Amino acid sequence: NAGVTQTPKFQVLKTGQSMTLQCAQDMNHNSMYWYRQDPGMGLRLIYYSASEGTTDKGEVPNGYNVSRLNKREFSLRLESAAPSQTSVYFCASIYGSHTEAFFGQGTRLTVV
Amino acid sequence: GNSVTQMEGPVTLSEEAFLTINCTYTATGYPSLFWYVQYPGEGLQLLLKATKADDKGSNKGFEATYRKETTSFHLEKGSVQVSDSAVYFCALTPNSGNTPLVFGKGTRLSVIA
Repeated sequence: NAGVTQTPKFQVLKTGQSMTLQCAQDMNHNSMYWYRQDPGMGLRLIYYSASEGTTDKGEVPNGYNVSRLNKREFSLRLESAAPSQTSVYFCASIYGSHTEAFFGQGTRLTVV
Repeated sequence: GNSVTQMEGPVTLSEEAFLTINCTYTATGYPSLFWYVQYPGEGLQLLLKATKADDKGSNKGFEATYRKETTSFHLEKGSVQVSDSAVYFCALTPNSGNTPLVFGKGTRLSVIA
């Protein structure tokens, strides 16, 4: 199984540009998450989707939008990138309560 | 609300030393508890888990026991290796509902030969 697949793996944007980070899982998981991880820091939740058709804000949602396209896919969009959004972005999925989360390999985004 | 507190790093140990990374949690009901590990340049992967009180999770020589009375899930390893150098995250998933899984801030471990 592929697990959780994120694309792209690396991206450099100019300030003000937009882009969408893609995430797909093939494990029939119900919940999906987007986190950012800044150097020397832990994970901060941006948005999550507890089930298909629902999305909720996390700790740091400003400047981002998400779409739960179907059960498999959960995308994260930066409408107007800012240098403060330079980070490593991780997508994760989980089947339900009491089960483990599976993570993608991350997208390293630099905004110049 | 739900939260996880783990000891601040970084932690630097010599090879074969004993490791403890403390983790305490606040949650309603009976959450499941996890330790994840992140090796340099990679995503997080599950190290071990425990789903109910007094359960002991173990993997690769690491152990952690779910202590409801002290709301703790401390990670231990008797003899660390250089290859254990990584960032370790304590986490919980709530008992029910749509609230998201919750992570601690991570503890960086460096093991020197």
